[in-house]
Amino acid sequence: KQEVTQIPAALSVPEGENLVLNCSFTDSAIYNLQWFRQDPGKGLTSLLLIQSSQREQTSGRLNASLDKSSGRSTLYIAASQPGDSATYLCAVGEGNQFYFGTGTSLTVIP
Amino acid sequence: GAVVSQHPSWVICKSGTSVKIECRSLDFQATTMFWYRQFPKQSLMLMATSNEGSKATYEQGVEKDKFLINHASLTLSTLTVTSAHPEDSSFYICSASATYSGRITDTQYFGPGTRLTVL
Repeated sequence: KQEVTQIPAALSVPEGENLVLNCSFTDSAIYNLQWFRQDPGKGLTSLLLIQSSQREQTSGRLNASLDKSSGRSTLYIAASQPGDSATYLCAVGEGNQFYFGTGTSLTVIP
Repeated sequence: GAVVSQHPSWVICKSGTSVKIECRSLDFQATTMFWYRQFPKQSLMLMATSNEGSKATYEQGVEKDKFLINHASLTLSTLTVTSAHPEDSSFYICSASATYSGRITDTQYFGPGTRLTVL
């Protein structure tokens, strides 16, 4: 069964800093990988979706990369802002199912 | 964009009662809907996959008789927590896989979640 791990579990950075969130998965035969943002007590907001044939996706200050062979994905956030504070989840897609990581709780300090 | 709603957004009930949670795709048809559960400080765990017009497929360890799932139409799936107990208190999130012109897209659209507290 697919296992998804995210490191670090929590991260606190000063405003303006660039940062990287990591996601690793055990089964490389994935269909896609998606990064989500979750605010406390709220549902999920999709940030970036990377197909298995792609190596990266960009949206604004966010850039996600995918290395299937090594079972890794990174989410790069440039020039972090206090509004970026949230929990970030990566999810690996196999068919129509997602296997979620444990999340990284990000706090951006003004 | 595609929108998925859940109702209610939060519910408090007494132990032993049953609670129904609705998941609706508002502007698209969803042949497949998924139900997840999230305990505090933990990630989402898939509970079951719901296909319109057929029985749900439950993940290992999820009690079928306790978590009743009905997907009666292409826009509505319901999760009923029967005889709820305090350990069922959790955040329940649904998602829907969109179908356009008969093709299943890659993206799942997530609802805002339902906070269930069982006293």
